[in-house]
Order: sequence, then C-alpha cells, then structure tokens
Amino acid sequence: LAKTTQPISMDSYEGQEVNITCSHNNIATNDYITWYQQFPSQGPRFIIQGYKTKVTNEVASLFIPADRKSSTLSLPRVSLSDTAVYYCLVGRNNAGNMLTFGGGTRLMVKP
Amino acid sequence: DAEITQSPRHKITETGRQVTLACHQTWNHNNMFWYRQDLGHGLRLIHYSYGVHDTNKGEVSDGYSVSRSNTEDLPLTLESAASSQTSVYFCASSVQRGTEAFFGQGTRLTVV
Repeated sequence: LAKTTQPISMDSYEGQEVNITCSHNNIATNDYITWYQQFPSQGPRFIIQGYKTKVTNEVASLFIPADRKSSTLSLPRVSLSDTAVYYCLVGRNNAGNMLTFGGGTRLMVKP
Repeated sequence: DAEITQSPRHKITETGRQVTLACHQTWNHNNMFWYRQDLGHGLRLIHYSYGVHDTNKGEVSDGYSVSRSNTEDLPLTLESAASSQTSVYFCASSVQRGTEAFFGQGTRLTVV
C-alpha cells in the first residue's frame, strides 16, 4: 500500500483558498487518490477522488501532477465550517480495495 | 434513503466483558470496514470484509473479531474488553469497485 505524508496542521482565514498537499512517492499504476473530510465526533466523509491531472466538483478541486507522486486538495474560499481534519488516501479502485488512513491534516479556519 | 447505522452510540463496559458493536448498512455494499480512532489520532483499520463469509484482519485486529453472515451487517466483537480498547469505533461500507466509503456516526466505547 502506498504511504501518504501530509502536513499535520494548517491555519487559514475565512475567504481564502486553502491548498493541502499530500505526498505518495510509491503510488502504484492502478492506485487512485481519494480525500476525506472529518468533523469532530463524526465519521469521515468522501470529498473527491482522482487518478491524474485535475478533478473538480462542487466542494473542491484535486490537482495531480504527471508523475502522480503528490496531489493537492484545493478548497476555494473557505469558511469557518471547513474547519476539519482532511485525509489523503491512496488505493486501488477495484474489488478488494482496503482503505488505509494516515494521520490527516487538521485545518483551522479563523474569522 | 440508504444509510449506515451503528449501535449503540455510547457504551460503557467493564474490563473482561465481551462486547459487540453493531453495524448495519442498506446500500447492499460488498465491502465493510471497522476502524478505531483514538483521541487526536487518525483511523486505524481493525477488520474488513469483501463479502458474505469473508473477513480479514487489519493493522490492529488483536482482541477483536468480526463475522459476516449477510451483506448488510458486520458486527464487531471485543472478546474480553481491555482499557486499551477505549476508543471511538467507526464502521464503513463501500461498493465493490471504488474507494468512496460511507461511514457511520461512530460508537464511543469506554472500558472501565
């Protein structure tokens, strides 16, 4: 399983764009990159998934360079409610995928 | 709407007792997972299942067991509860081919 490395914590202010980078140097050819968000006292929630280049949905964007050894989750114009822990996962998008979470990045959004 | 539910939400038990945490999903997902999360830490995988009668050990499986007799349920049993098993437990499910998992609300277990 590809190991991921993320910053432990980040601070931001309301209205700013936040970029959280995840390193996954030994990502395999068949691996996808998935990001989850977790609020206190809740289970993680799927945010976005990608394989290469850029993926965008109503919540976030995911940028993946050509070598796929890292990825960046971009949250546009964060609000206080975006304060959470964000997890980067790398795994195969096929039968038998096993979701392994790392330590995550604790994002604090300040007024 | 389809959902995944855990019960109980809170449980206090004594050291040495057997405890079973329930997890029920109505998405008909093949994959189901149990994690534990200790205060200020990430999630650690306990056990997982890829289908009925299939179970696998995760990274922290000692002292825990699961069984999968149908698609909807994956109960987690602590055979002899220990104080080190005080934690929040999350159950999750996902489709067979995908990494988008859906998590329950968690069970806070305290072993005294």
